[in-house]
Amino acid sequence: GQNIDQPTEMTATEGAIVQINCTYQTSGFNGLFWYQQHAGEAPTFLSYNVLDGLEEKGRFSSFLSRSKGYSYLLLKELQMKDSASYLCVTMDSNYQLIWGAGTKLIIKP
Amino acid sequence: GAVVSQHPSRVICKSGTSVKIECRSLDFQATTMFWYRQFPKKSLMLMATSNEGSKATYEQGVEKDKFLINHASLTLSTLTVTSAHPEDSSFYICSASGTRGQNTGELFFGEGSRLTVL
Repeated sequence: GQNIDQPTEMTATEGAIVQINCTYQTSGFNGLFWYQQHAGEAPTFLSYNVLDGLEEKGRFSSFLSRSKGYSYLLLKELQMKDSASYLCVTMDSNYQLIWGAGTKLIIKP
Repeated sequence: GAVVSQHPSRVICKSGTSVKIECRSLDFQATTMFWYRQFPKKSLMLMATSNEGSKATYEQGVEKDKFLINHASLTLSTLTVTSAHPEDSSFYICSASGTRGQNTGELFFGEGSRLTVL
């Protein structure tokens, strides 16, 4: 079957670094997305990985290992506004999106 | 600025009435639009996929006659919740894909619509 696992909740300190892990099982693979979603708002695109390796974009980086069915989102220099849910999303061979339940990230001063 | 606009952002209606939510792609042609529903503290649930000019493809468990989706043009899709009931109260979000972002497969999301049925 198709499945995405990511932690339900994480807590980190302002200015620190946090890594949100995601493991997945899909029928075929056409890429993995990370989205940020603040409560009551629509998701915002953060990153897209389709090849193995690390993609860096400012304070955010995303890593993919297709052989391990594993990805992580790395957030550096955490700010209070980074408090949000982070959604791991995969695209299968039929270009269907499979959404993880999201990781709620709580940033403390 | 926003590339997908969703309207209204909030709507309150009486039980038994119908509500229409619009989703517009502002600066690109959206060949495919998706409608999602999100329950509190839950992830997005795909309701249906619509391609311009053809009937929407509904996910299992989603009532076609209750959630009417129309994608009549490359820039507009509508979701109509017919004979709304309190259990239909939710956060509905549309997203679009098209020529923009095709290299990354990125989806562009509307701002979402909060529906409350009294």
